[in-house]
Amino acid sequence: AQSVTQLDSQVPVFEEAPVELRCNYSSSVSVYLFWYVQYPNQGLQLLLKYLSGSTLVESINGFEAEFNKSQTSFHLRKPSVHISDTAEYFCAVSVNTNAGKSTFGDGTTLTVKP
Amino acid sequence: SQTIHQWPATLVQPVGSPLSLECTVEGTSNPNLYWYRQAAGRGLQLLFYSVGIGQISSEVPQNLSASRPQDRQFILSSKKLLLSDSGFYLCAWSVREQETQYFGPGTRLLVL
Repeated sequence: AQSVTQLDSQVPVFEEAPVELRCNYSSSVSVYLFWYVQYPNQGLQLLLKYLSGSTLVESINGFEAEFNKSQTSFHLRKPSVHISDTAEYFCAVSVNTNAGKSTFGDGTTLTVKP
Repeated sequence: SQTIHQWPATLVQPVGSPLSLECTVEGTSNPNLYWYRQAAGRGLQLLFYSVGIGQISSEVPQNLSASRPQDRQFILSSKKLLLSDSGFYLCAWSVREQETQYFGPGTRLLVL
């Protein structure tokens, strides 16, 4: 079975500062990796995903994540955050099964302060 | 385009009362469907998933049950709610053999 560890439960940063949200996973087989974002009182939305190919994936709002197989990590980064990036971020991993089940981390709350 | 609906958005129920939460998906066929619970300050816990009508897999033992009476309808139920059932319930769907999950807006349940 696979598992996900998000190393930081809370990350406070100032506006326009860089940020990194850390995610490590464990699995005995090849995985797909995801980052989801949840704004207050809403469902989750896909931010970006790694399925295969280039290990660096980007979202449309400036986030990027790099799949590092040797370190079993998929850290999320943004060079300059905005107030509107304040949300909870979930890392998830799934294996290539028909059910498409994902295992989610416990989440990291990103708070961007002015 | 595909959409996913959940209702109600908020629910306050007494301990011991029954529960029925509904989730419907539009714009896709044969989706995989999922129920998650998100307790305050915690991550997502997968409760049930379904790969087809009448096919339900339970991930954790509990007093909740799920049913899929139609291809795009997924229902979460309980005969008698417990205080520990309080939380934010999220329904999600995915296309078979692809892994991205698309989440509904959620139902916030408070059991008193």
